[in-house]
Amino acid sequence: GAGVSQSPSNKVTEKGKDVELRCDPISGHTALYWYRQSLGQGLEFLIYFQGNSAPDKSGLPSDRFSAERTGGSVSTLTIQRTQQEDSAVYLCASSPNPKGTQYFGPGTRLLVL
Amino acid sequence: GENVEQHPSTLSVQEGDSAVIKCTYSDSASNYFPWYKQELGKGPQLIIDIRSNVGEKKDQRIAVTLNKTAKHFSLHITETQPEDSAVYFCAASKFQGAQKLVFGQGTRLTINP
Repeated sequence: GAGVSQSPSNKVTEKGKDVELRCDPISGHTALYWYRQSLGQGLEFLIYFQGNSAPDKSGLPSDRFSAERTGGSVSTLTIQRTQQEDSAVYLCASSPNPKGTQYFGPGTRLLVL
Repeated sequence: GENVEQHPSTLSVQEGDSAVIKCTYSDSASNYFPWYKQELGKGPQLIIDIRSNVGEKKDQRIAVTLNKTAKHFSLHITETQPEDSAVYFCAASKFQGAQKLVFGQGTRLTINP
């Protein structure tokens, strides 16, 4: 079946602009995670959604970052007033339940000039 | 919080030889340890995982061992093949309403034909 999809695959923006990154999880998966992968680094947890519960935002690096998940499916990660240090690959993962295996999408490569 | 260290950062082996990647973690409460393989331009893909109630798990040419006392776990790949070339990440987590994975820095594995 279809895996996790993310769009756009690449995004180039200017410093100070806002960007929106989209994640379509695997159908039926209730848990959704966002991670950030900086150049040559491991993945860093950002935010977690489970069903209709309030999200766990403990990994968001600043208040410029926010995310929402509509209808328990598609999620959007928004970065306001982008900075050069926001340049990274943003990965989304979904899981059938909170304890389940996480399946990753291909990521969105963000470059802030 | 949890910290995961991964070694080596790069590893080059001859086709057919074995490869071993090691990780240590700091939080003794961590109880889930997955390994992900990431190919260029793709998202991480789970290859094997282990939970803290077992010491070893094997799946064909891939095995993972866990030493809870020493807080380290290792990935073993036998009879390596060129398609094993990729970046491998270890991760650790403890379930706290979510499986927020803490990743190692990654190992770039190159299989030489």
